[in-house]
Amino acid sequence: NAGVTQTPKFRVLKTGQSMTLLCAQDMNHEYMYWYRQDPGMGLRLIHYSVGEGTTAKGEVPDGYNVSRLKKQNFLLGLESAAPSQTSVYFCASSFRGSGANVLTFGAGSRLTVL
Amino acid sequence: GNSVTQMEGPVTLSEEAFLTINCTYTATGYPSLFWYVQYPGEGLQLLLKATKADDKGSNKGFEATYRKETTSFHLEKGSVQVSDSAVYFCALNYGGATNKLIFGTGTLLAVQP
Repeated sequence: NAGVTQTPKFRVLKTGQSMTLLCAQDMNHEYMYWYRQDPGMGLRLIHYSVGEGTTAKGEVPDGYNVSRLKKQNFLLGLESAAPSQTSVYFCASSFRGSGANVLTFGAGSRLTVL
Repeated sequence: GNSVTQMEGPVTLSEEAFLTINCTYTATGYPSLFWYVQYPGEGLQLLLKATKADDKGSNKGFEATYRKETTSFHLEKGSVQVSDSAVYFCALNYGGATNKLIFGTGTLLAVQP
């Protein structure tokens, strides 16, 4: 059981370039999330999805777009990368339901923008 | 608004020492509380959780009690091992049915043999 898989694991971009991070889960989870992790700031929610075809903004959505065309996949896009987007990105997923449910995280994608 | 505050690290301990990592929260209503752990090079994974006041979550020798009166959820372990070296995140669930989490800034624990 693979759980949550993120690709790529590492990427270096130049300012202004675009890229897409892919998150895939095989647990039939309804909800999916993208977080970024920065030193001294913990994890901050970028965007999330409560089901196929839906997306919503989190705490820090500016500069990112997302899509959830298939239930198992959640894509995070950077249209014009900036150095401030240098970070480690984590995808997570969960079942729908009460607040007691927990998130399953991927291993992370480290992005450097030069 | 909702927030989580946890003690800054790094915390450096010798093997078999007692561990406490403090976590306090601010929230409306009655959130669920979590401790997640991140081992080097990996994603976060759930360590333990508590869903209501006075609940005690426990796993792998770690414990934390949901204290509504002090709005705290401190993580404790009686005897740490080198393999416990990791970053520990306190979190609360504020999104109701959407399971959105607010994380603390994380506390790095380094256990020396």
